[in-house]
This record gives sequence, C-alpha cells and structure tokens, in this order.
Amino acid sequence: DARVTQTPRHKVTEMGQEVTMRCQPILGHNTVFWYRQTMMQGLELLAYFRNRAPLDDSGMPKDRFSAEMPDATLATLKIQPSEPRDSAVYFCASLRTGAISGANVLTFGAGSRLTVL
Amino acid sequence: QKEVEQNSGPLSVPEGAIASLNCTYSDRGSQSFFWYRQYSGKSPELIMSIYSNGDKEDGRFTAQLNKASQYVSLLIRDSQPSDSATYLCAVRSGGSYIPTFGRGTSLIVHP
Repeated sequence: DARVTQTPRHKVTEMGQEVTMRCQPILGHNTVFWYRQTMMQGLELLAYFRNRAPLDDSGMPKDRFSAEMPDATLATLKIQPSEPRDSAVYFCASLRTGAISGANVLTFGAGSRLTVL
Repeated sequence: QKEVEQNSGPLSVPEGAIASLNCTYSDRGSQSFFWYRQYSGKSPELIMSIYSNGDKEDGRFTAQLNKASQYVSLLIRDSQPSDSATYLCAVRSGGSYIPTFGRGTSLIVHP
C-alpha cells in the first residue's frame, strides 16, 4: 500500500531549537507539498516542489523556515530557530502530475505534530 | 485570492440520517473538486472527487457539483457514528495541481 512517510510523528522542543521534519513521498510521485495545520488557520500551504525543484514557498516565513528536496525520495522542512507559534501539525503530501487518475490527487502523510515550549 | 468556504459546524445528525455538507468557492476557473475526511489526530484522506456538473455516487457518499453557482456538496446517506470527522473541501483550478482547502466542517453522528 503506497504511502507518504513522515518523521518524526511527534516532536517537543524548546524555543530557539532547530527542528527538522522529513518526508518520503510515494514512489513515482514527482510533486511534494508541505502544509501546516492549526485550529485557527486550517491547512496552510508552506511550500511545494516539482521534480525536486522548489516552485512556491511564498507561504513560508523565510527568516526561519527552509524547505529542500535533496533527492526524489526525501523532502525536508527545517525551522531554525523555532518559536511557540510554530506549534502545529505539519503535513507532507505528494502526487504525480500528468497521471490520468488516482496518482494526480494529493495523498497526505500521517503528519508531524510539533510542540515548541 | 482563491477562497473556499465551509461552515465550520459542528453539524450534528442522528445515526441513519442524511448528512449534507456544503462548500462554495470563488474561482470560476476551478475544474477539480475534492472531499477529504479527517479524523481527529489523523491526516486528511480523499473520499470523493468530482469534475463535472451533476452528481457522483460512491457507496453511501454522493458529491454534487454546480459550477454556475460555484457550489459543491457532499451527502452521506445512512450516517454512522464512524462518519464523525471533519470534512475538508478542496478546489483546484485548471492547469494547476495545487488545491485550495476550506477550513472544514465538523460532523458528529450520534447514536
């Protein structure tokens, strides 16, 4: 059963610490998204990549957030330094562009729940 | 600014009833429409997609699309307590693979 894999599932850290979240998209999926979900804002798009190239990171606070895709099987989202307002669930999702059906629809990972104290 | 609006709820229905969830969108160029279900503490999972005006049925779920009114809905027949979740509407414009999500409607099905 193909799935998007995210680590860590839960992270508690102190303000000012660096946080790195990782995502393995579904094999064959060429587009990867990072979302943040909070009660107040709902699902917010932070960044997305196609064929490993960053296409849009306008939703991301540039001063502390960075997103990379070092290879086709790994996407990372880094927060440095972290702040309490970054506490949220971070989802990675992937799809395959150009697919006729099924794979061209967004599939989410299980999420990384971040708590910054 | 593309917007997708949903009533946050909660929508409370008795077991066995029909639950009706609604969504409106602002971008007239929208071509693809999705309903995701999200259980508490879990990730969104796709339950329905619809691309043409009219109804699309899948088991107990029916998605309805009216592009002229910029309105998409999800009907859940014979609602079960296991249907209790937040339902997210997502809309995608033609030529884009990026969906815009609504804030979701919380559904509670009580026995």
